Amino acid sequence: ETGVTQSPTHLIKTRGQQVTLRCSSQSGHNTVSWYQQALGQGPQFIFQYYREEENGRGNFPPRFSGLQFPNYSSELNVNALELDDSALYLCASSLWQGAEKLFFGSGTQLSVL
Amino acid sequence: GENVEQHPSTLSVQEGDSAVIKCTYSDSASNYFPWYKQELGKGPQLIIDIRSNVGEKKDQRIAVTLNKTAKHFSLHITETQPEDSAVYFCAASFPSGGSYIPTFGRGTSLIVHP
Repeated sequence: ETGVTQSPTHLIKTRGQQVTLRCSSQSGHNTVSWYQQALGQGPQFIFQYYREEENGRGNFPPRFSGLQFPNYSSELNVNALELDDSALYLCASSLWQGAEKLFFGSGTQLSVL
Repeated sequence: GENVEQHPSTLSVQEGDSAVIKCTYSDSASNYFPWYKQELGKGPQLIIDIRSNVGEKKDQRIAVTLNKTAKHFSLHITETQPEDSAVYFCAASFPSGGSYIPTFGRGTSLIVHP
């Protein structure tokens, strides 16, 4: 059984740029969620994908967007990066039935300069 | 929306002591309450969870209690060990559109001194 993997592990961007983060879900899982974790804070829900469609979104602007692919892997895209977007971005996979049990990857540390 | 308060923000104990972390939530629709442990450089890992129809759950040295009326739940770790040192997060989840949307607390940094 393979766990949740995220890439890249670290990324440095400048304000105004665009970034794409990638996530491979745990084997057998069909639901992917993305979270933003600022330093010293708990993870904040960005959105969730099931059957390649967005299912639920937190309080994040439209410049945060995502995709889920037929193999259940997922991407998080952030346009027009702002300094406050600097954070650890976590991907979590789960089964739709039982989606409350989340399995997290180690995250992508994004720094916006 | 849901609001989860977690206390304390830092907890320092001696090896072998017990540790208690407390959380309160605001939305009575929340019915699933997981606890996660996050070690440095890693993502959160689910360590125990409880549903709203249960008052207490135990797994070896870890236990969680839930008081639905008061809207608070707690994590209890007995016989702490240095490897228990990590940041612990509570969360309250409510069903939404067939899935669950969690709201996390701000975390408790547990330090266990040998």
